[in-house]
Amino acid sequence: DIVMTQTPLSSPVTLGQPASISCRSSQSLVHSDGNTYLSWLQQRPGQPPRLLIYKISNRFSGVPDRFSGSGAGTDFTLKISRVEAEDVGVYYCMQATQFPYSFGQGTKLEIK
Amino acid sequence: QVQLQESGPGLVKPSETLSLTCTVSGGSVSSGSYYWSWIRQPPGKGLEWIGYIYYSGSTNYNPSLKSRVTISVDTSKNQFSLKLSSVTAADTAVYYCARESAQNMVRGVINYWGQGTLVTVSS
Repeated sequence: DIVMTQTPLSSPVTLGQPASISCRSSQSLVHSDGNTYLSWLQQRPGQPPRLLIYKISNRFSGVPDRFSGSGAGTDFTLKISRVEAEDVGVYYCMQATQFPYSFGQGTKLEIK
Repeated sequence: QVQLQESGPGLVKPSETLSLTCTVSGGSVSSGSYYWSWIRQPPGKGLEWIGYIYYSGSTNYNPSLKSRVTISVDTSKNQFSLKLSSVTAADTAVYYCARESAQNMVRGVINYWGQGTLVTVSS
């Protein structure tokens, strides 16, 4: 199974400042079809997860453009350009290149 | 707007079978465009993918649970279900049903989730 490792596990951020979360996979996420199936999800307190980004950098419908994803191979990053209060929650990376799908441990984004 | 709603017992005894149903509204489980998934989250912990089913009945399960899991679909009721046998306390979790896109060259696009239901395994 592919192991997903996120850093940091907790990220205190000042409102209006940028935030960055890293995700590393135990093996390359490049699929045989040439695509890299790395997604990012946000889970606000008491809510189900919500898809933010898929295939490394594609923002899902309705996701603000302050969220961006980047990376390749085994190293990926989620960036929030200017953190807003509604961004508080836990962020997960998820790989869907190989079964079983697997998630990172989660990074808790908090406001300082 | 697609909505998914989990239902089932909130308490299951050890060694018994956990059974949950997800009712889909605003969309059809008979659509060939989606996989219908189950994902769980132990209290205070991260997410674990359980598996999914396609409208045709084909399934894909997490090998760590494969011997105990069955996901089925009932197109007449627009529902899909999860059965997990021989449960232990380690199976205590919030169970989410969700919809994943089945488009070609699109994987892991899980864009609709139920609110989740807590299932506790305890005698």
